[in-house]
Amino acid sequence: EDKVVQSPLSLVVHEGDTVTLNCSYEVTNFRSLLWYKQEKKAPTFLFMLTSSGIEKKSGRLSSILDKKELFSILNITATQTGDSAIYLCAHGNNRLAFGKGNQVVVIP
Amino acid sequence: GAGVSQSPSNKVTEKGKDVELRCDPISGHTALYWYRQSLGQGLEFLIYFQGNSAPDKSGLPSDRFSAERTGGSVSTLTIQRTQQEDSAVYLCASSLLAGGFILGYEQYFGPGTRLTVT
Repeated sequence: EDKVVQSPLSLVVHEGDTVTLNCSYEVTNFRSLLWYKQEKKAPTFLFMLTSSGIEKKSGRLSSILDKKELFSILNITATQTGDSAIYLCAHGNNRLAFGKGNQVVVIP
Repeated sequence: GAGVSQSPSNKVTEKGKDVELRCDPISGHTALYWYRQSLGQGLEFLIYFQGNSAPDKSGLPSDRFSAERTGGSVSTLTIQRTQQEDSAVYLCASSLLAGGFILGYEQYFGPGTRLTVT
Protein backbone atom coordinates (compact mmCIF):
# COMPACT_ATOMS: atom_id res chain seq x y z
CA GLU A 1 0.00 0.00 0.00
CA ASP A 2 1.29 3.47 -0.91
CA LYS A 3 2.52 5.52 2.01
CA VAL A 4 2.86 9.31 2.03
CA VAL A 5 4.31 11.12 5.03
CA GLN A 6 4.40 14.89 5.40
CA SER A 7 6.46 16.99 7.78
CA PRO A 8 6.21 19.13 9.73
CA LEU A 9 2.56 18.47 10.58
CA SER A 10 2.12 22.09 11.56
CA LEU A 11 4.12 25.29 11.75
CA VAL A 12 3.61 28.96 12.50
CA VAL A 13 5.60 31.61 10.65
CA HIS A 14 5.60 35.37 10.30
CA GLU A 15 4.67 37.18 7.11
CA GLY A 16 7.66 37.41 4.81
CA ASP A 17 9.25 34.18 6.03
CA THR A 18 10.06 31.27 3.72
CA VAL A 19 8.37 27.94 4.35
CA THR A 20 9.68 24.54 3.27
CA LEU A 21 7.30 21.57 3.45
CA ASN A 22 8.43 17.99 3.03
CA CYS A 23 6.62 15.01 1.56
CA SER A 24 8.25 11.58 1.59
CA TYR A 25 6.72 8.53 -0.02
CA GLU A 26 6.99 4.77 -0.24
CA VAL A 27 5.18 3.36 -3.24
CA THR A 28 5.31 0.22 -5.34
CA ASN A 29 5.15 1.92 -8.73
CA PHE A 30 5.69 5.66 -8.91
CA ARG A 31 2.96 7.51 -10.85
CA SER A 32 2.94 11.19 -9.97
CA LEU A 33 3.28 13.35 -6.90
CA LEU A 34 0.72 16.10 -6.41
CA TRP A 35 0.42 19.07 -4.09
CA TYR A 36 -2.89 20.67 -3.09
CA LYS A 37 -3.78 23.64 -0.88
CA GLN A 38 -6.81 23.23 1.40
CA GLU A 39 -8.17 26.31 3.10
CA LYS A 40 -11.71 25.77 4.29
CA LYS A 41 -13.22 23.23 1.98
CA ALA A 42 -12.11 22.14 -1.48
CA PRO A 43 -8.44 21.25 -1.92
CA THR A 44 -7.12 23.31 -4.83
CA PHE A 45 -4.54 21.87 -7.21
CA LEU A 46 -1.04 23.35 -7.06
CA PHE A 47 1.47 21.07 -8.80
CA MET A 48 1.89 17.69 -10.42
CA LEU A 49 5.45 16.30 -10.43
CA THR A 50 6.65 13.31 -12.38
CA SER A 51 10.32 13.95 -13.16
CA SER A 52 13.18 14.32 -10.71
CA GLY A 53 15.00 17.60 -10.39
CA ILE A 54 12.66 19.75 -12.47
CA GLU A 55 11.28 22.63 -10.43
CA LYS A 56 7.69 23.63 -10.95
CA LYS A 57 6.95 27.23 -10.10
CA SER A 58 3.83 29.32 -9.66
CA GLY A 59 4.33 32.79 -8.23
CA ARG A 60 5.83 32.47 -4.77
CA LEU A 61 5.27 28.71 -4.68
CA SER A 62 7.65 26.15 -6.10
CA SER A 63 8.06 22.41 -5.84
CA ILE A 64 10.61 19.79 -6.76
CA LEU A 65 10.74 16.01 -6.74
CA ASP A 66 13.65 13.70 -5.87
CA LYS A 67 12.83 10.19 -7.08
CA LYS A 68 16.11 8.77 -5.81
CA GLU A 69 15.57 9.88 -2.22
CA LEU A 70 11.76 9.54 -2.54
CA PHE A 71 10.62 12.95 -1.44
CA SER A 72 9.22 16.23 -2.66
CA ILE A 73 9.50 19.74 -1.28
CA LEU A 74 7.04 22.60 -1.52
CA ASN A 75 8.52 26.03 -0.94
CA ILE A 76 6.62 29.21 -0.24
CA THR A 77 8.65 32.42 -0.28
CA ALA A 78 7.67 35.82 1.14
CA THR A 79 4.69 34.25 2.91
CA GLN A 80 1.44 36.15 3.29
CA THR A 81 -1.50 35.57 5.64
CA GLY A 82 -3.42 34.18 2.65
CA ASP A 83 -0.96 31.30 2.51
CA SER A 84 -2.39 29.97 5.78
CA ALA A 85 -3.83 26.58 4.87
CA ILE A 86 -3.26 22.86 4.99
CA TYR A 87 -0.95 21.72 2.20
CA LEU A 88 -1.68 18.19 1.04
CA CYS A 89 0.72 15.89 -0.76
CA ALA A 90 -0.59 12.88 -2.69
CA HIS A 91 0.77 10.06 -4.82
CA GLY A 92 -1.01 8.30 -7.65
CA ASN A 93 -2.88 8.96 -10.81
CA ASN A 94 -6.34 7.56 -10.20
CA ARG A 95 -6.75 6.54 -6.57
CA LEU A 96 -4.64 9.14 -4.82
CA ALA A 97 -2.93 8.31 -1.53
CA PHE A 98 -2.69 11.43 0.61
CA GLY A 99 -0.46 12.42 3.49
CA LYS A 100 -2.00 13.99 6.59
CA GLY A 101 -1.05 17.46 5.45
CA ASN A 102 1.17 20.33 6.57
CA GLN A 103 -0.81 22.94 8.47
CA VAL A 104 0.75 26.36 7.88
CA VAL A 105 -0.27 29.43 9.87
CA VAL A 106 1.14 32.78 8.74
CA ILE A 107 0.83 35.55 11.31
CA PRO A 108 1.13 39.24 10.46
CA GLY B 1 -16.40 27.61 -15.84
CA ALA B 2 -18.17 26.03 -12.88
CA GLY B 3 -16.19 23.76 -10.61
CA VAL B 4 -17.20 20.52 -8.95
CA SER B 5 -20.34 20.98 -6.86
CA GLN B 6 -21.63 18.82 -4.04
CA SER B 7 -24.86 18.70 -2.10
CA PRO B 8 -25.84 18.98 0.62
CA SER B 9 -23.00 20.94 2.15
CA ASN B 10 -23.92 19.63 5.59
CA LYS B 11 -25.94 16.60 6.63
CA VAL B 12 -26.86 15.52 10.15
CA THR B 13 -28.46 12.12 10.44
CA GLU B 14 -29.35 9.63 13.12
CA LYS B 15 -27.44 6.40 13.48
CA GLY B 16 -29.03 3.67 11.39
CA LYS B 17 -30.51 5.97 8.74
CA ASP B 18 -29.48 5.94 5.08
CA VAL B 19 -27.95 9.03 3.42
CA GLU B 20 -27.30 10.08 -0.17
CA LEU B 21 -24.60 12.53 -1.14
CA ARG B 22 -24.52 14.10 -4.59
CA CYS B 23 -21.66 15.23 -6.81
CA ASP B 24 -21.79 17.23 -10.05
CA PRO B 25 -18.40 17.04 -11.77
CA ILE B 26 -16.90 19.67 -14.04
CA SER B 27 -18.60 19.51 -17.43
CA GLY B 28 -16.65 17.36 -19.85
CA HIS B 29 -14.62 15.56 -17.20
CA THR B 30 -14.61 11.83 -17.82
CA ALA B 31 -13.38 10.62 -14.43
CA LEU B 32 -15.00 11.07 -11.03
CA TYR B 33 -13.64 10.18 -7.59
CA TRP B 34 -14.97 10.02 -4.03
CA TYR B 35 -12.78 10.51 -0.96
CA ARG B 36 -13.51 11.07 2.70
CA GLN B 37 -11.61 13.14 5.23
CA SER B 38 -11.98 12.30 8.89
CA LEU B 39 -10.72 14.45 11.73
CA GLY B 40 -6.99 13.95 12.11
CA GLN B 41 -6.80 11.70 9.06
CA GLY B 42 -5.69 12.33 5.52
CA LEU B 43 -8.00 12.04 2.58
CA GLU B 44 -9.00 8.41 2.07
CA PHE B 45 -9.90 7.10 -1.40
CA LEU B 46 -13.32 5.48 -1.67
CA ILE B 47 -14.30 4.85 -5.31
CA TYR B 48 -13.45 6.00 -8.83
CA PHE B 49 -15.44 6.06 -12.10
CA GLN B 50 -13.90 6.36 -15.54
CA GLY B 51 -16.20 6.65 -18.53
CA ASN B 52 -18.27 3.52 -19.01
CA SER B 53 -15.77 1.21 -17.33
CA ALA B 54 -16.60 -0.68 -14.17
CA PRO B 55 -15.81 1.52 -11.17
CA ASP B 56 -12.82 0.89 -8.91
CA LYS B 57 -14.56 0.22 -5.60
CA SER B 58 -11.45 -0.92 -3.78
CA GLY B 59 -11.54 1.89 -1.22
CA LEU B 60 -15.11 1.42 0.01
CA PRO B 61 -14.84 0.57 3.74
CA SER B 62 -17.86 -1.74 3.92
CA ASP B 63 -20.83 -3.01 1.93
CA ARG B 64 -22.94 -0.27 3.49
CA PHE B 65 -21.26 2.12 1.05
CA SER B 66 -22.18 2.25 -2.63
CA ALA B 67 -22.00 4.78 -5.45
CA GLU B 68 -23.51 5.29 -8.85
CA ARG B 69 -22.69 7.55 -11.73
CA THR B 70 -25.57 8.15 -14.10
CA GLY B 71 -25.12 9.19 -17.69
CA GLY B 72 -21.41 9.64 -17.21
CA SER B 73 -21.98 12.78 -15.18
CA VAL B 74 -23.67 13.15 -11.78
CA SER B 75 -22.72 10.71 -9.04
CA THR B 76 -24.46 9.69 -5.83
CA LEU B 77 -22.69 8.14 -2.85
CA THR B 78 -25.08 6.19 -0.62
CA ILE B 79 -24.33 5.11 2.93
CA GLN B 80 -26.81 2.66 4.40
CA ARG B 81 -27.44 2.15 8.12
CA THR B 82 -25.06 4.97 9.04
CA GLN B 83 -22.72 4.54 12.00
CA GLN B 84 -20.99 7.21 14.07
CA GLU B 85 -17.64 6.31 12.52
CA ASP B 86 -19.05 7.37 9.14
CA SER B 87 -18.94 11.00 10.33
CA ALA B 88 -16.50 12.79 8.03
CA VAL B 89 -16.26 15.24 5.14
CA TYR B 90 -16.99 13.44 1.88
CA LEU B 91 -15.14 15.00 -1.04
CA CYS B 92 -15.79 14.46 -4.71
CA ALA B 93 -13.25 15.18 -7.45
CA SER B 94 -13.21 15.00 -11.22
CA SER B 95 -10.54 15.00 -13.87
CA LEU B 96 -10.60 15.59 -17.60
CA LEU B 97 -8.72 12.38 -18.27
CA ALA B 98 -7.67 9.45 -16.11
CA GLY B 99 -4.84 7.01 -15.79
CA GLY B 100 -1.97 9.27 -16.71
CA PHE B 101 0.39 11.73 -15.15
CA ILE B 102 0.58 14.87 -17.18
CA LEU B 103 -1.55 17.97 -16.90
CA GLY B 104 -5.10 17.02 -17.82
CA TYR B 105 -5.05 14.12 -15.40
CA GLU B 106 -5.02 16.21 -12.21
CA GLN B 107 -8.08 15.97 -9.98
CA TYR B 108 -10.22 18.97 -9.08
CA PHE B 109 -12.14 18.79 -5.83
CA GLY B 110 -15.56 19.96 -4.76
CA PRO B 111 -16.27 21.67 -1.41
CA GLY B 112 -17.39 18.46 0.24
CA THR B 113 -20.37 17.31 2.29
CA ARG B 114 -19.88 17.29 6.05
CA LEU B 115 -21.74 14.26 7.40
CA THR B 116 -22.48 14.02 11.12
CA VAL B 117 -24.04 10.83 12.46
CA THR B 118 -25.60 11.28 15.90
